[in-house]
Amino acid sequence: ELKVEQNPLFLSMQEGKNYTIYCNYSTTSDRLYWYRQDPGKSLESLFVLLSNGAVKQEGRLMASLDTKARLSTLHITAAVHDLSATYFCAGGPMRDDKIIFGKGTRLHILP
Amino acid sequence: DSGVTQTPKHLITATGQRVTLRCSPRSGDLSVYWYQQSLDQGLQFLIQYYNGEERAKGNILERFSAQQFPDLHSELNLSSLELGDSALYFCASSAHRGLNTEAFFGQGTRLTVV
Repeated sequence: ELKVEQNPLFLSMQEGKNYTIYCNYSTTSDRLYWYRQDPGKSLESLFVLLSNGAVKQEGRLMASLDTKARLSTLHITAAVHDLSATYFCAGGPMRDDKIIFGKGTRLHILP
Repeated sequence: DSGVTQTPKHLITATGQRVTLRCSPRSGDLSVYWYQQSLDQGLQFLIQYYNGEERAKGNILERFSAQQFPDLHSELNLSSLELGDSALYFCASSAHRGLNTEAFFGQGTRLTVV
C-alpha cells in the first residue's frame, strides 16, 4: 500500500527566503502530484510529475521528482505572503487508480 | 473554478441519519474520486469510479456507499451517521484513469453531525 510522507508538516518562514518541502513515498508510484489548499477551500492542482527527473516550475514554485529515491520536492523561491497555504503531495500507485495524499505541509509566510 | 460541482455546500444533520452528497464532474471527465478530510485524519481516499464502474476502494466504511450514474455524476451515501463522520467531503474528477491523470477538486461538502 502506497504511503506518502511529507516534511515538514508545519513551516513558518520569512518573506524573501527560500525553502523546500519534501515528499517521500513508500512504493513505486507512476505519478506524483502537488496541490495547494487555502483554509476552508478546495484543493488546487499545482503540478503533475510523471517521470524520473521531471521538473516543473510555476512562478516561485518548482517541483521535481526522483523516482529512484522515491522523493519529490517543492521548492519555494523568495517566498511572499500570498504563498501561505497548505501544500499536499500525492502519489498514484502503479497500475492503480488511487491518488493517495500526504498529511500536508502548512506553510506560513511572515511579512 | 475547477468545473467540478458538489452539492450541498453545507449539511447539518443528527446522529443516526442518512445523507447523500452529490458530485458533477468536469465536462468530459469519466473518473470520479471521493475523499474525506478531517483535522486528525487528513485527506482520506474513499472510493473511485470510472465510467460507472468502481475501480479503486480506500478506507471507506461499510456505512458509506457510492455510485456513478450513466450521466457520470456521482453520489456518496452516508448512513447511520456518527459524530466522527463530521468532515469536509471532496469529490474530484479526471479525464482518464491511471497515468497522465490530473484530478480536479470540487469545493467540498462540509458535513456536521450533531
